[in-house]
Amino acid sequence: EAQVTQNPRYLITVTGKKLTVTCSQNMNHEYMSWYRQDPGLGLRQIYYSMNVEVTDKGDVPEGYKVSRKEKRNFPLILESPSPNQTSLYFCASRLNLQGHQFFGPGTRLTVL
Amino acid sequence: GDSVTQMEGPVTLSEEAFLTINCTYTATGYPSLFWYVQYPGEGLQLLLKATKADDKGSNKGFEATYRKETTSFHLEKGSVQVSDSAVYFCALITGNQFYFGTGTSLTVIP
Repeated sequence: EAQVTQNPRYLITVTGKKLTVTCSQNMNHEYMSWYRQDPGLGLRQIYYSMNVEVTDKGDVPEGYKVSRKEKRNFPLILESPSPNQTSLYFCASRLNLQGHQFFGPGTRLTVL
Repeated sequence: GDSVTQMEGPVTLSEEAFLTINCTYTATGYPSLFWYVQYPGEGLQLLLKATKADDKGSNKGFEATYRKETTSFHLEKGSVQVSDSAVYFCALITGNQFYFGTGTSLTVIP
């Protein structure tokens, strides 16, 4: 089954404790992205990747890192989480520049 | 910059009512336009899309027409069902980036 998976689905952590949210797709897609969803703000893009070892900042990259060492994986790293990073995070992938996006199920992160 | 503006919700309708959710956009060039739907507890799913002016996207009884002259992509459905209750997002892609509206929550009551 074609899909985007994310882990964990739910995470509660404390300020400053490094964490990684994994994302994997099995569709051989070139493009992958991370979004955060907040009430009243919709989805905002954090980072995106156009291929292995090629990443770029989205609209809200501060406090986040990403890497794309393999085509299928695109982890999101929070080196020192803060409470304002409490949000619902979605990973997405698409085949090419104009293709529609396939979304993962989401990761709800709470930073205390 | 590029952006999407959609009508604020929440929207509550009775079953079989007509639905319109307005979406307008600002973009340089010629974006592709999308509607995504998010059911409770799930990620977004593509509902329909249109890639050029005057294209009509349709799926599951929903329709939207790419209107370049009014920079709009309004979502319509003639007769909504309880199962259509969800959050709907209008989106565009231009260059490498997707831009999403803030989402419109729809609740359909029996």
